[in-house]
Amino acid sequence: DIQMTQSPSTLSASVGDRVTITCRASQSINNWLAWYQQKPGKAPKLLIYKASSLESGVPSRFSGSGSGTEFTLTISSLQPDDFATYSCQQYNSFSPETFGQGTKLEIK
Amino acid sequence: EVQLVQSGAEVKKPGESLKISCKGSGYIFSSHWIGWVRQMPGKGLEWMGIIYPGDSDTRYSPSFQGQVTISADKSISTAYLQWSSLKASDTAMYYCARPNSFQYWYFDLWGRGTLVTVSS
Repeated sequence: DIQMTQSPSTLSASVGDRVTITCRASQSINNWLAWYQQKPGKAPKLLIYKASSLESGVPSRFSGSGSGTEFTLTISSLQPDDFATYSCQQYNSFSPETFGQGTKLEIK
Repeated sequence: EVQLVQSGAEVKKPGESLKISCKGSGYIFSSHWIGWVRQMPGKGLEWMGIIYPGDSDTRYSPSFQGQVTISADKSISTAYLQWSSLKASDTAMYYCARPNSFQYWYFDLWGRGTLVTVSS
């Protein structure tokens, strides 16, 4: 299985901050990576697919980059609604598809 | 409206069987894969498996192969996840989700989840 490792596990930040979350794959997944946002008691919501493509309706302050084994999700200016848990998912091939362990973004 | 509607919360005892459901609407159900994702309390997302309702082609994560059965009835646009003998460690939220692409399995549509609690 391809292992996905996110860092940090927890991130404390303030409204207006620029934050970056990293996701590393145990082997190359080209750019077959998605990012999700999940709030407590809610289903995940797709933010980014194909490493850097913004899902329709997602604010442009969210962006993704990377290829191969290292990827980042950046929020350019944190808004109160952005405090949530973020997870990456690789879908390079059915190896099977795997998620990272999640990064909890907390209010500082 | 395109949506996935999951069955309600379940409370079961160890050893009991269970089948939860996920009904798709607003799109051609048989033409899209449906996946299942587990989230244990306070933990991350785990990819369990996926089914193509059009021909019932099913793929399982090795971690879940033999532990659960994924099925679908395209005539009623419903996918299922079932257990023959539940364990306390099956306590979790289970989400069904749909990839928008036939080939690439990232999920753009999610159900609200079904909470399964297994306790004696």
